[in-house]
Amino acid sequence: EIQLQESGPGLVKPSQSLSLTCSVTGYTITSGYDWSWIRKFPGNKMEWMGYISYSGSTNYNPSLKSRISITRDTSKNQFFLQLNSVTTEDTATYYCARSDWEFDYWGQGVMVTVSS
Amino acid sequence: DVVLTQTPVSLSVTLGDQASISCRSSQSLEYSDGYTYLEWYLQKPGQSPQLLIYEVSNRFSGVPDRFIGSGSGTDFTLKISRVEPEDLGVYYCFQATHDPWTFGGGTKLELK
Repeated sequence: EIQLQESGPGLVKPSQSLSLTCSVTGYTITSGYDWSWIRKFPGNKMEWMGYISYSGSTNYNPSLKSRISITRDTSKNQFFLQLNSVTTEDTATYYCARSDWEFDYWGQGVMVTVSS
Repeated sequence: DVVLTQTPVSLSVTLGDQASISCRSSQSLEYSDGYTYLEWYLQKPGQSPQLLIYEVSNRFSGVPDRFIGSGSGTDFTLKISRVEPEDLGVYYCFQATHDPWTFGGGTKLELK
């Protein structure tokens, strides 16, 4: 069974970097698919942030392009999100998901609050 | 960016009723390969979003046949033929045809 699990700090200070890990079991991230980060803001708004492909290429939402980096550790079957220079507007629940035009497997989400 | 406008924002139903959600796109969602990458997700309370429908009308594995997706171009609809308690939550349309991929604003389905 394919499972994704996010981990990382739940509180980040403004201007610092947000770093999250997505650990994948049941599927090797280099075998196929894209591996995305998505966030849901307080309220209902959702935003696709970007992905790293099975080959290691990346595609980012231009709204975040200067602040976002998605990388991976293939030996641990994990991929990572780094979002720099965060503000309170980055407060959201962050999800990782497997994608191939659609998101078929999701993690349970991690809530991140940006506050001093 | 492609804007997906969902209506209504909230929908109150009686169990067993039909529910219908509209998703209108600011651009055609037909991709150059002929496919239309319009999907529907449901986020139940306390859970992650789950895929219901992909490529406009294809039900994902395990999704009951009371969920019906339709549409083309810029206008899409999700119908739930007989609402059951486990159908309650927030529904999102999503497009992966144009970069960046974008979500609709969500429709909350709740009991009357």
